[in-house]
Amino acid sequence: EDKVVQSPLSLVVHEGDTVTLNCSYEVTNFRSLLWYKQEKKAPTFLFMLTSSGIEKKSGRLSSILDKKELFSILNITATQTGDSAVYLCAVDNNNDMRFGAGTRLTVKP
Amino acid sequence: NAGVMQNPRHLVRRRGQEARLRCSPMKGHSHVYWYRQLPEEGLKFMVYLQKENIIDESGMPKERFSAEFPKEGPSILRIQQVVRGDSAAYFCASSPPIAGVGETQYFGPGTRLLVL
Repeated sequence: EDKVVQSPLSLVVHEGDTVTLNCSYEVTNFRSLLWYKQEKKAPTFLFMLTSSGIEKKSGRLSSILDKKELFSILNITATQTGDSAVYLCAVDNNNDMRFGAGTRLTVKP
Repeated sequence: NAGVMQNPRHLVRRRGQEARLRCSPMKGHSHVYWYRQLPEEGLKFMVYLQKENIIDESGMPKERFSAEFPKEGPSILRIQQVVRGDSAAYFCASSPPIAGVGETQYFGPGTRLLVL
């Protein structure tokens, strides 16, 4: 059965720290992996990854995919309190999209 | 504990027909959210419901779309007189009845609607 596993489930850091969030998956017919940031309501799209080894970057956030080892990481450098949220990983397998349970990140001042 | 269930997983409708999408939340969850995803785009919030109550429908189109979450049974997203532009993946998520910002939502596998 297809599955997406995120780790850690919860993470507390202080402002300025760098964090790495993990997403591993087992799906058939992989098409893409997506990262979202979820705060109050709707998840905000961060990255879509389709190819291994190509880092995607947006400001302090970056992400990379390893299709051989079936995982992706999301890095956040110089964290700020505004980065506090649940970060969701989802995998599109051409038939449906499977979401992980999310990593809850708390950034303390 | 079964996850969030959505059915059907795929739905094909002709223009003008009605589409009904169902979402059964995780056991113990009383909050349901509906999202729409267009190709190559992120999730777009549509509506947030609790049992027998619509909390926030700011993302719902004003016409043809409605949602409910009855006391018994699944939440239903209903699209009347579908048009080709309604073709998309519709995701449902549920969360437990705990107050707070950014409660973890658990997503279903989605319903892919295709309007011919």
